[in-house]
Amino acid sequence: AQSVAQPEDQVNVAEGNPLTVKCTYSVSGNPYLFWYVQYPNRGLQFLLKYITGDNLVKGSYGFEAEFNKSQTSFHLKKPSALVSDSALYFCAVRDSGNTGKLIFGQGTTLQVKP
Amino acid sequence: DGGITQSPKYLFRKEGQNVTLSCEQNLNHDAMYWYRQDPGQGLRLIYYSQIVNDFQKGDIAEGYSVSREKKESFPLTVTSAQKNPTAFYLCASSAHSNTEAFFGQGTRLTVV
Repeated sequence: AQSVAQPEDQVNVAEGNPLTVKCTYSVSGNPYLFWYVQYPNRGLQFLLKYITGDNLVKGSYGFEAEFNKSQTSFHLKKPSALVSDSALYFCAVRDSGNTGKLIFGQGTTLQVKP
Repeated sequence: DGGITQSPKYLFRKEGQNVTLSCEQNLNHDAMYWYRQDPGQGLRLIYYSQIVNDFQKGDIAEGYSVSREKKESFPLTVTSAQKNPTAFYLCASSAHSNTEAFFGQGTRLTVV
């Protein structure tokens, strides 16, 4: 069965420090992977995606993600965290049935402290 | 101003009532989706549609119904058969099945 795991419910980091939000996946075939961010009572905003190509993907607001096929991981990273990065982050993988359905992880709350 | 518009932002439903959540997009996207979000459970797919006049059940379709009469519109009806409807509902669309999805701002439904 296809699935996405975000092993940390919450990640705490000091402003200015690097951050990592972890994601592992299980999918048949080549994975299409996505990261989204959600602020309170708002919809999800697209950050970045991996379809094919370079394993390091750059996205919005200075975020990037590293695709690792052998470890089936797609961790979200940022070199220097901002307080305004505090939000709920979702990793997702596209369903292999070519329907466009997304399978989401449980979400990780990122708390950046000044 | 392009995007996906969900309305209303907040909705209150009495026991036994059906309610309809609106989702409109002007992105000319073929595919549209409805997700339900509950605390600590991520997002779960209710229904999706890849083309006008066609839609399929997602993982938690029981107690919900949809229609796709126009490309721009994908309304969701929460029926009285849905036993636990209180949740945050998110509509999304994508140009193709292999591109990213864009989300509306959500509707928070509460049963009173």
